[in-house]
Amino acid sequence: DGGITQSPKYLFRKEGQNVTLSCEQNLNHDAMYWYRQDPGQGLRLIYYSQIVNDFQKGDIAEGYSVSREKKESFPLTVTSAQKNPTAFYLCASGRVDRGGRYGYTFGSGTRLTVV
Amino acid sequence: AQSVTQPDIHITVSEGASLELRCNYSYGATPYLFWYVQSPGQGLQLLLKYFSGDTLVQGIKGFEAEFKRSQSSFNLRKPSVHWSDAAEYFCAFDSNNDMRFGAGTRLTVKP
Repeated sequence: DGGITQSPKYLFRKEGQNVTLSCEQNLNHDAMYWYRQDPGQGLRLIYYSQIVNDFQKGDIAEGYSVSREKKESFPLTVTSAQKNPTAFYLCASGRVDRGGRYGYTFGSGTRLTVV
Repeated sequence: AQSVTQPDIHITVSEGASLELRCNYSYGATPYLFWYVQSPGQGLQLLLKYFSGDTLVQGIKGFEAEFKRSQSSFNLRKPSVHWSDAAEYFCAFDSNNDMRFGAGTRLTVKP
């Protein structure tokens, strides 16, 4: 079955460490997205990519980096510059069309905790 | 500014009672509107969407939503809530492949 796989489900980061969250999709979607979710704040967009080898900053990109070398993969690196990384991270994918009428498919998330 | 607002942070209903979750949007034209549901520790699942045509849309799990242009609203409804509906619900809109989410409404279902 097609879908999005995020790994790991739980991740612990020490102070000063970079960590990478994996996101893979087999839905043949062109667009992929990373969101951060904190209690009571909904989802905030970190980065998105609508085509391979191209990506754009979202609302809260500082302290994060991404790459899009393959259509299926959109890994997110949380760098040491991100001072408050503890959160639930969600990856999504979608079709690129005029207006965005189809909605997104979401992965099951990665919970990152600083220890 | 383009935004979506969910006025209710938390709602509690009894099992079998009806449900209405509110959503208001701010946008110059009619955006594409969505409702998603999230179970604890999980990703979001699309319940239903509206982009044109009939203003009453049906979704999965017995949910429906009504688009009201005059009120800039897209409220989610269910006639009879089941205990398994307890979750967080997010309203969202997309204007140009740029999905924006509300802060969410947490639904608790009493036995």
